[in-house]
Amino acid sequence: EAGVAQSPRYKIIEKRQSVAFWCNPISGHATLYWYQQILGQGPKLLIQFQNNGVVDDSQLPKDRFSAERLKGVDSTLKIQPAKLEDSAVYLCASSFPSGSETQYFGPGTRLLVL
Amino acid sequence: TQLLEQSPQFLSIQEGENLTVYCNSSSVFSSLQWYRQEPGEGPVLLVTVVTGGEVKKLKRLTFQFGDARKDSSLHITAAQPGDTGLYLCAGALDYKLSFGAGTTVTVRA
Repeated sequence: EAGVAQSPRYKIIEKRQSVAFWCNPISGHATLYWYQQILGQGPKLLIQFQNNGVVDDSQLPKDRFSAERLKGVDSTLKIQPAKLEDSAVYLCASSFPSGSETQYFGPGTRLLVL
Repeated sequence: TQLLEQSPQFLSIQEGENLTVYCNSSSVFSSLQWYRQEPGEGPVLLVTVVTGGEVKKLKRLTFQFGDARKDSSLHITAAQPGDTGLYLCAGALDYKLSFGAGTTVTVRA
């Protein structure tokens, strides 16, 4: 069974530029999560999708971050404009069945904002 | 602010030694999970503990969930260099995970 796929693996941008990350969850997983992991910290939930609907985006900085999950499969996370403090690893995770507390993580996208 | 406090933050030991990592919180969780994360990778689930007082053993790793379901520990016996990594605990509530900051474990050969 293929795991959670993410791309790109690495991204370097300058502040005020925009960037997008892509995630393909495990086939059949209804719930998809985006986390931000800053160096030295544990992952912090940004947004949770159930199929193509948002369940929780309370910690998503909505003035600059946006996410979508069209058709309830792949998802993209966008930052526009990026700030220095957005430098982090962005992790995507998925779970099944819906409501399961076991999450499977992708390898992450490492973002450096200069 | 992390909901879960992990200690120690860093741990460096010699191969063959034992180690214990702690995860504490003032919140009650429906379950607690332990993950290991290697450089350049996402966290990988090691175990989920659900019942207060539960003890689970996976080869040389022993996981314990506190009676009140607020804290947990991970004990590794006879550590090996392959145990090196970032160990994260995560408390589950309403199908959401709250992570600790992690303990970086280095096992020297």
